[in-house]
Amino acid sequence: NAGVTQTPKFRVLKTGQSMTLLCAQDMNHEYMYWYRQDPGMGLRLIHYSVGEGTTAKGEVPDGYNVSRLKKQNFLLGLESAAPSQTSVYFCASSYSYAQYTFGSGTRLTVV
Amino acid sequence: AQSVTQLDSQVPVFEEAPVELRCNYSSSVSVYLFWYVQYPNQGLQLLLKYLSGSTLVKGINGFEAEFNKSQTSFHLRKPSVHISDTAEYFCVATLSGNTPLVFGKGTRLSVIA
Repeated sequence: NAGVTQTPKFRVLKTGQSMTLLCAQDMNHEYMYWYRQDPGMGLRLIHYSVGEGTTAKGEVPDGYNVSRLKKQNFLLGLESAAPSQTSVYFCASSYSYAQYTFGSGTRLTVV
Repeated sequence: AQSVTQLDSQVPVFEEAPVELRCNYSSSVSVYLFWYVQYPNQGLQLLLKYLSGSTLVKGINGFEAEFNKSQTSFHLRKPSVHISDTAEYFCVATLSGNTPLVFGKGTRLSVIA
């Protein structure tokens, strides 16, 4: 099925560990986004990409890095995880005229 | 910068009663507006969106929203709610079809039997 796939769906990390979250879309969308969701805060934009090889900072980029080496993949990295990065992470992609597709989310716990 | 304000963080309502979830946005230019719903432990589902044209937008599950440019509001309404409508609702805005979505903080709707 066409859509946005996030892996993994769940992960528990120890403080200081690193990990990469993968977002893959098969709709040939140019634009991709990473959000984090925290209780009472809605979804906040971490980083986004307007095309292969490009990235830009969002509202809450500190502690995260991203890469868009291939058009279909948008990777979110945590170099040294902190408890404050415990959250649910959503990836999304868009093509045109306000057609946004979201992944099902990754629940990350940092202990 | 664009912002979205959801005026109520929690809204309790009895089953079969009407409900209105309020949303204001701030933008000096035209915006696209959305309402998303998130059921417990699930992802995001699009309820409806306003891009242009008629200011009354009908969505899924009997929801509708009205775009009011003069009041910069986009309130969500349903004439009769069901227990299954219990969820968190997000008002969302963006400046164009390919710019990042800006989310409100959410309104938790609790439908009471």
